[in-house]
Order: sequence, then C-alpha cells, then structure tokens
Amino acid sequence: DAGVIQSPRHEVTEMGQEVTLRCKPISGHDYLFWYRQTMMRGLELLIYFNNNVPIDDSGMPEDRFSAKMPNASFSTLKIQPSEPRDSAVYFCATSTNNQPQHFGDGTRLSIL
Amino acid sequence: SQELEQSPQSLIVQEGKNLTINCTSSKTLYGLYWYKQKYGEGLIFLMMLQKGGEEKSHEKITAKLDEKKQQSSLHITASQPSHAGIYLCGAVSGGGADGLTFGKGTHLIIQP
Repeated sequence: DAGVIQSPRHEVTEMGQEVTLRCKPISGHDYLFWYRQTMMRGLELLIYFNNNVPIDDSGMPEDRFSAKMPNASFSTLKIQPSEPRDSAVYFCATSTNNQPQHFGDGTRLSIL
Repeated sequence: SQELEQSPQSLIVQEGKNLTINCTSSKTLYGLYWYKQKYGEGLIFLMMLQKGGEEKSHEKITAKLDEKKQQSSLHITASQPSHAGIYLCGAVSGGGADGLTFGKGTHLIIQP
C-alpha cells in the first residue's frame, strides 16, 4: 500500500515567493490533516479536512496560508507571500474511522 | 486548549537498558497516541490508548494510560539502537476525529 505522498520533499525559495506543498492521501482515507513542525513550537495542527471539506482552520497562522482539497486524492497548502519565519517541516497526515493518522515524510521548507 | 508535556526532553541510555518516557496532559485524555520519528522522516504510529488503565505492548515497547486518563507512559525494555529517535505523544482534544495536539517530543539516544 502506498502511504501518504508529499511533494516536494525539500523546497528552498526566497521570501516573497509563492510556495505550494502537495499531498496525496492514502486511498479511502476521508480525513486529511496539515501540520507544521519547528524546533520552537513542535508539531502544530494547521487545518484538517473531512470528505474534502475544511473542518477546522484555526491553526492556520495568517491569511498568507491557504489550503484546498479539490478532490479525495489531492490537497495543497499554499503560502503567499512566503516569509523566513515560515521555514519548517510541513507534514500531511490522513486517517479514517477514528483510526490512527498516517503521516507523510514531510516537506522541508526553507525561506531565504 | 489542551497541552501535553513530555519528560524527559532527551534521554541517553546504554544499549540493553530499560527506559520510560512520560506524557502528562492538562486535560482528560480521550485518546492518546504514541508516534516515533526518525530525524528527517515522518512519524510512525506506535500505539493508541483510549481507556483508563489500558496497557498495550508491541515487541519491546509498552504503553499505559493511567486510570484518571491524564498521563501516559511509554516503556522500552532492553533498548536497542533501532529504538533511537524522537518519541511524540499526541492527543485528541475531544471525542471526535479532530487533529492531534502533540507534546514537544523526547529525543532518545542509545549508546552502544
């Protein structure tokens, strides 16, 4: 079984640029979560979807962040414009039926 | 909001020794998850505990949730180099399939 697939694995870009992170969930999983991990704050929930609908986006830091899930097979997290403080590892995780969340390998984002 | 405090923050253990990691919640735990993360990689699910007093084991790792459901412990018996990594506890804040709140993690180093 293919796990949660995230792309790109690494992204380095200059501040002010638009960044798009992508996630392909495990087939059949109807919950999708976006997390951010930093040394200072640890792992934080940004937003999650159920059946492609955003349920809780209270963790999204500011209007520069947006997330979409156009279908059951794909989600994006976009940062526009990016800032150096957005540098972090971004994880996508998916689950179904109150089962444990399965995490992707993450995208390591560096904003210069 | 719920907060999870893990202790210790880091741990260096000689190979073959036993160790325990603790996770204390500021609120009642409805579901407690233990994950392991290797540096630069995603989170691997270890165990899920839901009932007060519950105990689960997998290979040499045992996790417990206390009766009051506000603390969990992870015990590793006869540690091996493969146990090295970051151990994270995560909890749902309510009874549903919400995103997880995580502790800051415990960095485990196994000395040969």
